Amino acid sequence: EVQLGESGGGLVQPGGSLRLSCAASGFTFSSYAMGWVRQAPGKGLEWVSSISGSGVSTYYTDSVKGRFTISRDNSKNTLYLQMNSLRAEDTAVYYCGKGSEKQQLVYDYWGQGTLVTVSS
Amino acid sequence: EIVLTQSPGTLSLSPGERATLSCRASQSVSSSYLAWYQQKPGQAPRLLIYGASNRATGIPDRFSGSGSGTDFTLTISRLESEDFAVYYCQQYVSSRRTFGQGTKVEIK
Repeated sequence: EVQLGESGGGLVQPGGSLRLSCAASGFTFSSYAMGWVRQAPGKGLEWVSSISGSGVSTYYTDSVKGRFTISRDNSKNTLYLQMNSLRAEDTAVYYCGKGSEKQQLVYDYWGQGTLVTVSS
Repeated sequence: EIVLTQSPGTLSLSPGERATLSCRASQSVSSSYLAWYQQKPGQAPRLLIYGASNRATGIPDRFSGSGSGTDFTLTISRLESEDFAVYYCQQYVSSRRTFGQGTKVEIK
């Protein structure tokens, strides 16, 4: 059974840093692209970042470029999102997603989400 | 950046009725790189459709997707109680992937 579990969220001051983790199990982690999608309170979904199975290719939405870094450790079946220079507008639930079997650019399994709150 | 505009914002329907949701892109979404997701309160999104018209694994056949270019549609042929939720379209033709703002399907 595919399982994804995010951790690392919490309350952080503006300008601070957090590292989110997404532990994966039930599939061959290194064979699938992964990504992060966030949802601000009461708002819609926003794609944040994606990474290829090998970790060589990474992609970011413009608002986080230069501040967030996506990475993965295929030996630990874990996806990461390092978030620096956090802003109030980064407050959201952050979900990790697994690339689907037939189209790895969409996500067929998701974690339960971890809440990041940026506030003084 | 490709902007996706979904309409209507809210759809009020009764169980058993047909739901038609629209997603319009600001530029052509080539190769129909468009997906639809369903999200219920407090839950993660669920993949329904990819490639504009392909149902994801385990998705009932009352859900169907169509369209190409800039205009896409998600149709739910007969609404069941578990289908009342928010639906999002997403384009993935661009490395800068974007979601629409969502359509809420509520019980009338």
